[in-house]
Amino acid sequence: NAGVMQNPRHLVRRRGQEARLRCSPMKGHSHVYWYRQLPEEGLKFMVYLQKENIIDESGMPKERFSAEFPKEGPSILRIQQVVRGDSAAYFCASSPLPGTDTQYFGPGTRLTVL
Amino acid sequence: GESVGLHLPTLSVQEGDNSIINCAYSNSASDYFIWYKQESGKGPQFIIDIRSNMDKRQGQRVTVLLNKTVKHLSLQIAATQPGDSAVYFCAENSSGGSNYKLTFGKGTLLTVNP
Repeated sequence: NAGVMQNPRHLVRRRGQEARLRCSPMKGHSHVYWYRQLPEEGLKFMVYLQKENIIDESGMPKERFSAEFPKEGPSILRIQQVVRGDSAAYFCASSPLPGTDTQYFGPGTRLTVL
Repeated sequence: GESVGLHLPTLSVQEGDNSIINCAYSNSASDYFIWYKQESGKGPQFIIDIRSNMDKRQGQRVTVLLNKTVKHLSLQIAATQPGDSAVYFCAENSSGGSNYKLTFGKGTLLTVNP
């Protein structure tokens, strides 16, 4: 029973490039959440998606960041024109049917912007 | 509650001792709380949760206590083992009943000395 999967685990980009982070939720989970973690800090909520729908993106920066969860395939967090301040660990979590609250996290993608 | 800072609170214990990790939250409307364990380079791992209609919940070697009067949450780990060494985060649900957006505390670094 595979858990939440994220890839790549480590991603290095130069300023101005694009970063694509992928997340496959646990089997049977249709709710995906993205969080960002800076060093020695807790996770900060970014966006909550269901299949083909963005439910809440209140934690997403207004520019350069976007997320999707298509009908088929993994959820994608996309960061355009990356800057050094985007360097962080990005975690994806998933949960099962609506009404259940436990979120299970993936191993994260560590983004480094040079 | 959520706080940010450059230094994590730390707790150092001897193997076999009991550990108590504390967390304060600020949102009196929060009704769901989770403790996560995060080992270096990994994603948060669910430990135990509790709803606001309870004040205590026990798992295997772990107990969570909730004091809503003072908005305080604690995690007790019995017979602490070296494998328990990690950063522990409390998280609260603060979405006004929508039950998805978790707010994380800063975290406590637990070090278990053999």
